[in-house]
Amino acid sequence: AQRVTQPEKLLSVFKGAPVELKCNYSYSGSPELFWYVQYSRQRLQLLLRHISRESIKGFTADLNKGETSFHLKKPFAQEEDSAMYYCALGLAGFNKFYFGSGTKLNVKP
Amino acid sequence: NAGVTQTPKFQVLKTGQSMTLQCAQDMNHEYMSWYRQDPGMGLRLIHYSVGAGITDQGEVPNGYNVSRSTTEDFPLRLLSAAPSQTSVYFCASSYKVSGANVLTFGAGSRLTVL
Repeated sequence: AQRVTQPEKLLSVFKGAPVELKCNYSYSGSPELFWYVQYSRQRLQLLLRHISRESIKGFTADLNKGETSFHLKKPFAQEEDSAMYYCALGLAGFNKFYFGSGTKLNVKP
Repeated sequence: NAGVTQTPKFQVLKTGQSMTLQCAQDMNHEYMSWYRQDPGMGLRLIHYSVGAGITDQGEVPNGYNVSRSTTEDFPLRLLSAAPSQTSVYFCASSYKVSGANVLTFGAGSRLTVL
């Protein structure tokens, strides 16, 4: 069965510190992986997706098929990064998405 | 473009009552879906649709019905509300960007069932 695991419910770091939000998935097929973010009082929105291999707002994520992971990283956290982050697995071609339980990132001044 | 519009934003129901959460999108997206968001459980897929006239079940479909008569609209019906359906509901539509489907979410509807 498909599953997305985000082991940390809450991650607190100080401004300027590196941050890594963990995401592991289980899926036997070819996955599409995403990070979505929900800032306070805003809609859930796409942060980045593995297929584009891009850096958004300083965040990057690398798909590691061997470890079935898609961890989100940023070298220097900013206070405006405080939000709820969800890792999502999309089943290729089916438009079905499975979300992790989310990690709340709190960046302290 | 308004994007994905959900109504109502808030609703309180009594156990056994029925209601419909409305979802509309003006982006001509073929795919639409409904999720519920519960603390500690993330978002779970309730139902989805790959086009007008086609719907299918997600992870947690029990107690919910959907229909897709037009590309724009994808209402979610609760036939007999239960306290376990207290949640925040999100509608999303999706499009392909460079081969990967990307979800666009509505603002959410907070439902409380007493």
